[in-house]
Amino acid sequence: GENVEQHPSTLSVQEGDSAVIKCTYSDSASNYFPWYKQELGKGPQLIIDIRSNVGEKKDQRIAVTLNKTAKHFSLHITETQPEDSAVYFCAARSNSSASKIIFGSGTRLSIRP
Amino acid sequence: DVKVTQSSRYLVKRTGEKVFLECVQDMDHENMFWYRQDPGLGLRLIYFSYDVKMKEKGDIPEGYSVSREKKERFSLILESASTNQTSMYLCASSSRAREEFYYGYTFGSGTRLTVV
Repeated sequence: GENVEQHPSTLSVQEGDSAVIKCTYSDSASNYFPWYKQELGKGPQLIIDIRSNVGEKKDQRIAVTLNKTAKHFSLHITETQPEDSAVYFCAARSNSSASKIIFGSGTRLSIRP
Repeated sequence: DVKVTQSSRYLVKRTGEKVFLECVQDMDHENMFWYRQDPGLGLRLIYFSYDVKMKEKGDIPEGYSVSREKKERFSLILESASTNQTSMYLCASSSRAREEFYYGYTFGSGTRLTVV
């Protein structure tokens, strides 16, 4: 079945710098890659996603890239702000897994003032 | 505003008690999921359901059962609570419609369960 690995598990960056979180997946049939942000005391919320027919997608300070050949995808946050501090999960879904989304283990991002 | 509602934010139960965690969604989603979240272990799937009265085991079903009598409600049951079931429990839902394949999951806010 699908396996998603996520690195790093913790990340601390200076406010204003960029943060990058990387994930790899195992199922070459995966075609949808969402990213979730979980703030303290809340459930994960979808912040951005990318489909397999697209290499990059941006939404203001957040961007995701996908390398299908290498089965890598990444989340990039530029000009980080204190409110970016949270746990981030990458995930993957394939037609072979029906409706199930497989999650990475999470990255705790801390923004230093 | 569409949402997934978990009935309790915090619960404290005694060892051996039967515990019910309730989840309700108002999006007419076919699929519902229960996860537990522990530090360093990410999100682990306990059970999921693709339709009313249907259920399938996830990765860590031992010690749990579920019930889905109505489309909008998915209950997680701890038959005899133990201290190692102290955790954050998250419910999620999604649509099975082909056109909504790319919309991911909607999560509830979670229930933090402490078993003493």
